[in-house]
Amino acid sequence: GENVEQHPSTLSVQEGDSAVIKCTYSDSASNYFPWYKQELGKGPQLIIDIRSNVGEKKDQRIAVTLNKTAKHFSLHITETQPEDSAVYFCAASEEYGNKLVFGAGTILRVKS
Amino acid sequence: SAVISQKPSRDICQRGTSLTIQCQVDSQVTMMFWYRQQPGQSLTLIATANQGSEATYESGFVIDKFPISRPNLTFSTLTVSNLSPEDSSIYLCSVDPQGLDYEQYFGPGTRLTVT
Repeated sequence: GENVEQHPSTLSVQEGDSAVIKCTYSDSASNYFPWYKQELGKGPQLIIDIRSNVGEKKDQRIAVTLNKTAKHFSLHITETQPEDSAVYFCAASEEYGNKLVFGAGTILRVKS
Repeated sequence: SAVISQKPSRDICQRGTSLTIQCQVDSQVTMMFWYRQQPGQSLTLIATANQGSEATYESGFVIDKFPISRPNLTFSTLTVSNLSPEDSSIYLCSVDPQGLDYEQYFGPGTRLTVT
């Protein structure tokens, strides 16, 4: 089955700087890669996703890049703000059952 | 997307008892899922809740411990049975509104503490 590794486990940046979180996956059949933001006491919120027929997708200050050959994808947050502080999870689809496999998560702290 | 609510939002239960968690969606959805998030950990899929048939459980999760109902396309329940402190976790339901599209939206979660 699919295995997703996520790095770093914690990331501290200064407000206004960029943050990058990276994930690798094992199953070459995976074709959907979402990113979730989870704030304390809340459920994960889908913030951006990418499918395998696209190399990059951008939505305002966040972007995701996908390298299918290397089997890795990354989340980029520019001009970070204190409200970006949260836990971020990447995930990859499994070929069967419409399921997602999640990475271990990254705690992002934006210092003001 | 979809608006998802869960009840209760949190509970403290005695070991040996059971807790039933409800998940309500504001629209009909094909796919509903239940996840467990242990303290400080990632999300682990417990089962896929199938409307009109038995849930499909992931490796390591069994129906006797985590019975699931899915009576219609907007509602599901997860029961965590014979509670032990190791069951203390956040339990989350999610939905894939489009069905077979992988795009999942999560409810707010139920925080369970077992004493």
